[in-house]
Amino acid sequence: QVQLKETGPGLVQPTQTLSITCTVSGFSLTSYYMQWVRQTPGKGLEWMGFIRSGGSTEYNSEFKSRLSISRDTSKNQVFLKMNSLKTEDTGVYYCARDHGGYSPFDYWGQGVMVTVSS
Amino acid sequence: DIVMTQGALPNPVPSGESASITCQSSKSLLHSNGKTYLNWYLQRPGQSPQLLIYWMSTRASGVSDRFSGSGSGTDFTLKISSVEAEDVGVYYCQQFLEYPRTFGGGTKLELK
Repeated sequence: QVQLKETGPGLVQPTQTLSITCTVSGFSLTSYYMQWVRQTPGKGLEWMGFIRSGGSTEYNSEFKSRLSISRDTSKNQVFLKMNSLKTEDTGVYYCARDHGGYSPFDYWGQGVMVTVSS
Repeated sequence: DIVMTQGALPNPVPSGESASITCQSSKSLLHSNGKTYLNWYLQRPGQSPQLLIYWMSTRASGVSDRFSGSGSGTDFTLKISSVEAEDVGVYYCQQFLEYPRTFGGGTKLELK
């Protein structure tokens, strides 16, 4: 069945870089778009960006200068990297799947809690 | 960016009663193809959001028919008939007409 699971560091220091991996099973990354969404106390649910089934990416302009999304299809993994972290980046980070185009996010991972603190 | 605004529920809702959650968008979500690009998600306590409704009124696979979505281009309603314990959580609307995809602030449902 379809599964998505995020793994990440838990605690990151301000100004450092966040790296999260989303490992998927039950479907192919070359057939679906993969989205990143975060949930913070200050802004609620925020769409961050996505990687298309073909491998190109799009980012929310809120994060564009410090966000990078990539993947390794051989390992069924999608990666989020965000630099210059601030305390307000503290929250839960989710990966989610969609079919591309005008599609809802039909499967979500369990999320990974990230705390930005010194 | 399209702003999504959700209304509050008069909590707690008695078990077995119906509940209606409202959502408003700052721009019409009605596409020229006739589809309205509005989703509803439920986030149960301690869980990730799960898709309930897409295209404003289409239930996702496995979702109870107690959930129904309706609306116009900018004003939307999620109705839950006969509320049950498993319906407790926070409900979010999301527009998927444009990027950035944007979410409402959430509406909490508590059970009496």
